[in-house]
Amino acid sequence: GENVEQHPSTLSVQEGDSAVIKCTYSDSASNYFPWYKQELGKRPQLIIDIRSNVGEKKDQRIAVTLNKTAKHFSLHITETQPEDSAVYFCAASINQAGTALIFGKGTTLSVSS
Amino acid sequence: SAVISQKPSRDICQRGTSLTIQCQVDSQVTMMFWYRQQPGQSLTLIATANQGSEATYESGFVIDKFPISRPNLTFSTLTVSNMSPEDSSIYLCSVLDRGRNTIYFGEGSWLTVV
Repeated sequence: GENVEQHPSTLSVQEGDSAVIKCTYSDSASNYFPWYKQELGKRPQLIIDIRSNVGEKKDQRIAVTLNKTAKHFSLHITETQPEDSAVYFCAASINQAGTALIFGKGTTLSVSS
Repeated sequence: SAVISQKPSRDICQRGTSLTIQCQVDSQVTMMFWYRQQPGQSLTLIATANQGSEATYESGFVIDKFPISRPNLTFSTLTVSNMSPEDSSIYLCSVLDRGRNTIYFGEGSWLTVV
């Protein structure tokens, strides 16, 4: 079955620096790759997603890249701010409709001012 | 985006009892999903709730422990049966918002079993 590996497990950066979180997946049939941000005590919030027919997507300070050949995708956050501090989860779809997800183990991002 | 409401938001339960969690969506959705997030862990898919048919369970989850109902296109329930402290988790409902073609989560039901 599908497996999603996420690295690093923790990431500490200074405010204004960039942060990169990487994920690899095993099932070449996966076609949907969302990223979620989860603050303490709250539900996961979708921050950006990408589908397998696209190589890169950007939304203001956040971007996601996908390499289907290598089966990996990455989250890039530029100009980090303290409010970016949270746990970030990558996920990959495990059904053809792209609706059921398997998650990585998460990355705890700490942005210090 | 789809508005997803879950009840209860939090509960403390006695071991050996069962609790039913409700998920209500403000629009009709074909597929609803139930996830579990144990303390400090990632999310794990429990099952897919299909309207008009039995739920599809992932490996490690069984219907006797987590019975699911899906009576219509806007509502689903997940029951956690015969609870033990290991069932202390956040249980999350999610749906595919077809308009935005993205997956959203409810606010979660935080269960503590004592």
